[in-house]
Amino acid sequence: NAGVTQTPKFQVLKTGQSMTLQCAQDMNHNSMYWYRQDPGMGLRLIYYSASEGTTDKGEVPNGYNVSRLNKREFSLRLESAAPSQTSVYFCASSPGQGYSGNTIYFGEGSWLTVV
Amino acid sequence: KQEVTQIPAALSVPEGENLVLNCSFTDSAIYNLQWFRQDPGKGLTSLLLIQSSQREQTSGRLNASLDKSSGRSTLYIAASQPGDSATYLCAVYGDTGTASKLTFGTGTRLQVTL
Repeated sequence: NAGVTQTPKFQVLKTGQSMTLQCAQDMNHNSMYWYRQDPGMGLRLIYYSASEGTTDKGEVPNGYNVSRLNKREFSLRLESAAPSQTSVYFCASSPGQGYSGNTIYFGEGSWLTVV
Repeated sequence: KQEVTQIPAALSVPEGENLVLNCSFTDSAIYNLQWFRQDPGKGLTSLLLIQSSQREQTSGRLNASLDKSSGRSTLYIAASQPGDSATYLCAVYGDTGTASKLTFGTGTRLQVTL
């Protein structure tokens, strides 16, 4: 089973460029999430989708947009990349509507560098 | 605001030792606590989930305990192996609110040497 799949794995962007990180899960989960991981900061939630058709802001949403394309796919878009968005991005999913204490499953990460 | 602290930040032990990783949180009104493992260049893998009504969970050589009132959890690894080398993170889910209430610690990097 693939679980949670993210693309691309690595990306270098110039300041001001835009890009979309793609995420897909094959576990029929209702909830999906985008996190960023920075040294010394832990994982921080950017956006999440408690169910198909809904999205909500997390702790650090500024500079990002998301789309829950269908139940399987949840994309994260950087409209105008900034060096502060250099980070490792993780997509995750969990069963149930919203995070109700179930196990959360993570993708393998996307390393983004903005120069 | 919930804060999660993991001490130590890094730990090196010889193979075969039993070890304890610590996690503390400032707001005891949590729904559950999870321990994750992260290998270099990889995502997080859930190891154990403890509901707020539980005191501990076990999986193989791993045992996690939870003391909500004191804001502490420990992950006990028995008979450590080189394959246990990874970063271990804990995360707590607040008693109310949404997915944004899942707060992560910064992790303990464990190295098990031969």
